[in-house]
Amino acid sequence: AQSVTQPDIHITVSEGASLELRCNYSYGATPYLFWYVQSPGQGLQLLLKYFSGDTLVQGIKGFEAEFKRSQSSFNLRKPSVHWSDAAEYFCAVGAPDQTGANNLFFGTGTRLTVIP
Amino acid sequence: GAGVSQSPRYKVAKRGQDVALRCDPISGHVSLFWYQQALGQGPEFLTYFQNEAQLDKSGLPSDRFFAERPEGSVSTLKIQRTQQEDSAVYLCASSLVGGLVSEQYFGPGTRLTVT
Repeated sequence: AQSVTQPDIHITVSEGASLELRCNYSYGATPYLFWYVQSPGQGLQLLLKYFSGDTLVQGIKGFEAEFKRSQSSFNLRKPSVHWSDAAEYFCAVGAPDQTGANNLFFGTGTRLTVIP
Repeated sequence: GAGVSQSPRYKVAKRGQDVALRCDPISGHVSLFWYQQALGQGPEFLTYFQNEAQLDKSGLPSDRFFAERPEGSVSTLKIQRTQQEDSAVYLCASSLVGGLVSEQYFGPGTRLTVT
């Protein structure tokens, strides 16, 4: 069975500083990997996704993530954080080789606080 | 265009009451998902529809939970005889086609509090 671990419950960074949010997955094959952001009162919004190919994927709002098979990781990065990036971030995995599997498995989330 | 909408946004129910949560997906989206998000947790899959067919209900926690999508558009998640552990945010998502490659668009959720 697949699972996702986000080791950091809460991260605080200064505006303008770089950001890395960690995500580790457990899955027997190459999974589909996603990062979502959830702002208060808002629905989850997809930041980026990885299916195959180039292991460095670019997303919206200046985010990128790198798939590292050897480390079973898919960490999210941003070179310079803006105050508006404060939100909850969720890593999710999908199991493409499971027949009929269309749903996502989410981690527990990392809450990002941005200080001036 | 309009995104996924859910109603009500907030619901307070006394233990033992039945509740019905509504999801209006993006028009034309074939797939519809329900997730449950407990406080401090990530969303957990409940059930999946492709058009009006419920193809996967493996995540429904008990037979008190029932979902339907009779005409392949609007969906209702019903919880009978609510219990305190049902308190959570219920998220609905839709995608244009089936499969994981089709982006899931999420609604704002319904926060259910069972007292």
